[in-house]
Amino acid sequence: QKEVEQNSGPLSVPEGAIASLNCTYSDRVSQSFFWYRQYSGKSPELIMSIYSNGDKEDGRFTAQLNKASQYVSLLIRDSQPSDSATYLCAANPNFGNEKLTFGTGTRLTIIP
Amino acid sequence: GVTQSPTHLIKTRGQQVTLRCSSQSGHNTVSWYQQALGQGPQFIFQYYRKEENGRGNFPPRFSGLQFPNDSSELNVNALELDDSALYLCASSFLSGGYNSPLHFGNGTRLTVT
Repeated sequence: QKEVEQNSGPLSVPEGAIASLNCTYSDRVSQSFFWYRQYSGKSPELIMSIYSNGDKEDGRFTAQLNKASQYVSLLIRDSQPSDSATYLCAANPNFGNEKLTFGTGTRLTIIP
Repeated sequence: GVTQSPTHLIKTRGQQVTLRCSSQSGHNTVSWYQQALGQGPQFIFQYYRKEENGRGNFPPRFSGLQFPNDSSELNVNALELDDSALYLCASSFLSGGYNSPLHFGNGTRLTVT
């Protein structure tokens, strides 16, 4: 069983709609969670970090964490074509980044 | 930001390779990740104060160094075809057991033939 699982997609969303990306993790001791965006051929770019249960909002992005269900999600409101990328979910057993475990990523395509 | 060199590299099976990374100013840790095509990055190891500070499930032929200016090298000996991947360097600031968010470099694309 993979430690961090994501639907590989592709996920297609019309421009202006809400894109919803999901991630589950198997290690119950995971404490910190991250969403990275990766454009094709480029390196991962941090979008959001979340450490506590509930929602965390930053601009058009909202991360949601439910530790009881071992579930993390990322919502992108008012989706733009520039949001088309692969989104990587990552977890860490500590409050830090010394050993991130990544999922395989979800490929998101925003349709103009 | 974090800079890596070279951008691309082609090596033959059995050879050795050295990849280089300059961390972001003010950061004191360097981590290396391997990303195979279509996969998420996999943690190789992290260096802090020139010592290895955590290692993933990679064999000893993957080794590293961190220099006084916090730059780093990743060395891979006896290259195998499966070592073909994007190698990502990331830096962060570690203090009091807490790491700041990772900032990744643009990566080195290694092809082993």
